[in-house]
Formats: sequence, C-alpha cells, structure tokens
Amino acid sequence: DAGVIQSPRHEVTEMGQEVTLRCKPISGHDYLFWYRQTMMRGLELLIYFNNNVPIDDSGMPEDRFSAKMPNASFSTLKIQPSEPRDSAVYFCASTPSRHTQYFGPGTRLTVL
Amino acid sequence: TQLLEQSPQFLSIQEGENLTVYCNSSSVFSSLQWYRQEPGEGPVLLVTVVTGGEVKKLKRLTFQFGDARKDSSLHITAAQPGDTGLYLCAGVDDTDKLIFGTGTRLQVFP
Repeated sequence: DAGVIQSPRHEVTEMGQEVTLRCKPISGHDYLFWYRQTMMRGLELLIYFNNNVPIDDSGMPEDRFSAKMPNASFSTLKIQPSEPRDSAVYFCASTPSRHTQYFGPGTRLTVL
Repeated sequence: TQLLEQSPQFLSIQEGENLTVYCNSSSVFSSLQWYRQEPGEGPVLLVTVVTGGEVKKLKRLTFQFGDARKDSSLHITAAQPGDTGLYLCAGVDDTDKLIFGTGTRLQVFP
C-alpha cells in the first residue's frame, strides 16, 4: 500500500490567496483526519471524517478554513483567504480503527 | 482542554547514553500511544498501551503506562543517531478523542 498521499508537499503563497491541500487516504480506512503542526502549538486536530461525513470540526480555527471529503479516496482542506499565521505543516491521517493514526508526509504551507 | 505535557521538551545526548521521556496529565486515558516523527515526515506509531501498569518493549525502547492511566514514560537504552526525532505521546480521553502531547525533540550525536 502506498500509504496516505498528500499534495502538494510544499506550498508558498501570498496573503489573501486561496490554498487547497489534498489528501488520498489508505484504501479501506473509514476515518480521515486533518491536523496542523507548528512549533508553538504542536499537533492540533482540525477536523475528522467518518465514512466521508464530517464528525467533529471544532478544531477548525475559523470560517476561512473548510474541508470536504467527496468520496472515500479523496479529501481537501481549503483556506480562503490565507493569512501569514496559517503557515504550518498540515497533515492528513487515516485509520480503520478510530484511534491509530497513519499519517501522510504533510504539506508545508508558507503564507507570505 | 485536556493537556498532555511531555518532558523534557528538548534532549541532546551522545550515542550510547540512556534516556527517559515523560508524558503526564491530570486526566485518565483509556489508552495511550507513542509516535516518532522524523524531519519532513509524518508521525509513525511506535506502540499502544492500554492497561494501567502495562510495560511494552520494542527492541531498545521500553514503554510504560502509569497505574492510574494518567501518565506514561518512554525509556531508550543505548541511544543511537537513528533514534533522533520528535517523540509524541497521544491519549484517548473520556470523549473518545485522541489528544496529542506537546512533544520531546531528541537529538542523538554520534
């Protein structure tokens, strides 16, 4: 299995631009999670899906962030408009069993 | 908000030394996991402990879950440069959420 796939691996954009991060989970995993990691705040859960349905989005920082999972093999995290404080590494993780997380390699986002 | 505090935050040691990383909380967890994250990659699960007092060994790594299931430790014997990375504990709380710790960044010098 290829593992969790994320794209792009690096994204540099200017403040105010729309950013879309993509994730392909491991086939057969019913849960998908989006995390954000920074030095200051560590690893934070943003939102998670079960069977493509958003279950808990309480970690989404504000309305500028949105996430979708149109099917079992694809999810997006969108930031519109982006701000410099959104700069972080964004991870997607999937799991068949709710808690054991299989992480992707992450997308390093820099907002100038 | 429940917190999982890890200590130390940073650790730099020479190859061959032993070390212990701690993960502490005031909350009870039904299970606790340890992950290692290498630069440029996502965290990778090392172990899950479920029972209070449980001890698990993974080669030179020894993991222990506290009797009250509020804390855990990771002990590494004879550390090697390949052990370098960010170590994260993560506990499942009473709302069935996985809470990640603050992390311990380990550097092992040859």
